[in-house]
Amino acid sequence: KQEVTQIPAALSVPEGENLVLNCSFTDSAIYNLQWFRQDPGKGLTSLLLIQSSQREQTSGRLNASLDKSSGRSTLYIAASQPGDSATYLCAGDQTGANNLFFGTGTRLTVIP
Amino acid sequence: DADVTQTPRNRITKTGKRIMLECSQTKGHDRMYWYRQDPGLGLRLIYYSFDVKDINKGEISDGYSVSRQAQAKFSLSLESAIPNQTALYFCATSDWTSGSYNEQFFGPGTRLTVL
Repeated sequence: KQEVTQIPAALSVPEGENLVLNCSFTDSAIYNLQWFRQDPGKGLTSLLLIQSSQREQTSGRLNASLDKSSGRSTLYIAASQPGDSATYLCAGDQTGANNLFFGTGTRLTVIP
Repeated sequence: DADVTQTPRNRITKTGKRIMLECSQTKGHDRMYWYRQDPGLGLRLIYYSFDVKDINKGEISDGYSVSRQAQAKFSLSLESAIPNQTALYFCATSDWTSGSYNEQFFGPGTRLTVL
């Protein structure tokens, strides 16, 4: 069974810092990989999708990469802002049917 | 208007009651999913549907059933609710273009409490 680990579980940084969130899968056979943010009491907002033929995606200050040989993904956030404070979830599709296995998330706090 | 809506947003019920959670989408996606989220655990897939006639069990389908009434509607039922089904439930949608799945979009969630 696929298990997804996200490290660190929680992170607190001052505003303006660059940071990296990590995600690893026990089974490195991954099709799509998607990063989400979740605000307290809210639904999930899609941030980036790395499709099966891709290795990296960028959107604004966010960059996500996937190393399929190791089953590891990183989410890089540049110049962090207080509005980035949220829980960040990674999820991968092991089946090719877009059925996502989720990590438990990294709770990020950006201090003004 | 939100692309993926869920009703109700909050529900408190008692053990043994039948509960239905509803999901509607205006994105025109053919694929729909139900997940549950528990504190300290990642989201887990309950059921998924590729179209009205294609429904599949996910990782944790026991105790749940679903109905895909139309392309835009996907309902989750708890036939006889039990306290360990207390969780946050999410509906999601996605589509398939040019040989690849696209991103999943999530609804706002339904917080269900079973007493």
